[in-house]
Amino acid sequence: DIQMTQSPSSLSASVGDRVTITCRASQGINRWLAWYQQKPGKAPKSLIYAASSLQSGVPSRFSGSGSGTDFTLTIDSLQPEDFATYYCQQYNSYPLTFGGGTKVEIK
Amino acid sequence: QVQLVESGGGVVQPGRSLRLSCAASGFTFSSYTLHWVRQAPGKGLEWVAVISYDRITKYYADSVKARFTISRDNSKNTLYLQMDSLRTEDTAVYYCARPGTTTHNWFDPWGQGTLVTVSS
Repeated sequence: DIQMTQSPSSLSASVGDRVTITCRASQGINRWLAWYQQKPGKAPKSLIYAASSLQSGVPSRFSGSGSGTDFTLTIDSLQPEDFATYYCQQYNSYPLTFGGGTKVEIK
Repeated sequence: QVQLVESGGGVVQPGRSLRLSCAASGFTFSSYTLHWVRQAPGKGLEWVAVISYDRITKYYADSVKARFTISRDNSKNTLYLQMDSLRTEDTAVYYCARPGTTTHNWFDPWGQGTLVTVSS
């Protein structure tokens, strides 16, 4: 199974900050990586697929990069509605696996 | 618009069974692979199972293999998850999810989820 390791597990940031979350796969997954945002009590929402493709309707302050084993989600100019938990997911092979999540909190 | 609506969750005793349903609308149901993903209270996301568009291929997480069965009825646009021999560690919100495309398994959209509580 492919293990997905996210870091950090939590972070505190202020509105307007640039935030970077990393995700590392235990083996190469090409660019088959997605990022999701989840708010309390809600279903996850797709942000990025294929490592860097922005899902329709997602603000351009969200961006993704990487390939192989190392990936990054960047949020430029953090907005109040961005405080949430973020997950990466590999879809290179079964079983599909998620990172442990990164909770972005208000500083 | 594309919509997935889960139902069937509830409180069940360990060792008992439960069947979840996911009603789909707004897209060609029979063209898509479909998945179940769960989230234990306060925990992260765990993929559970997948079924191909034609019902031929199914995969399961090791944690549920031989206890859970995924199925679908393309005539009713409905996905199912039969959960047998339930354990306390199966307590979670269960989401059905559709891939963003017919060929790649990133998820969009997700249903709203249904809570399964396994407790005596």
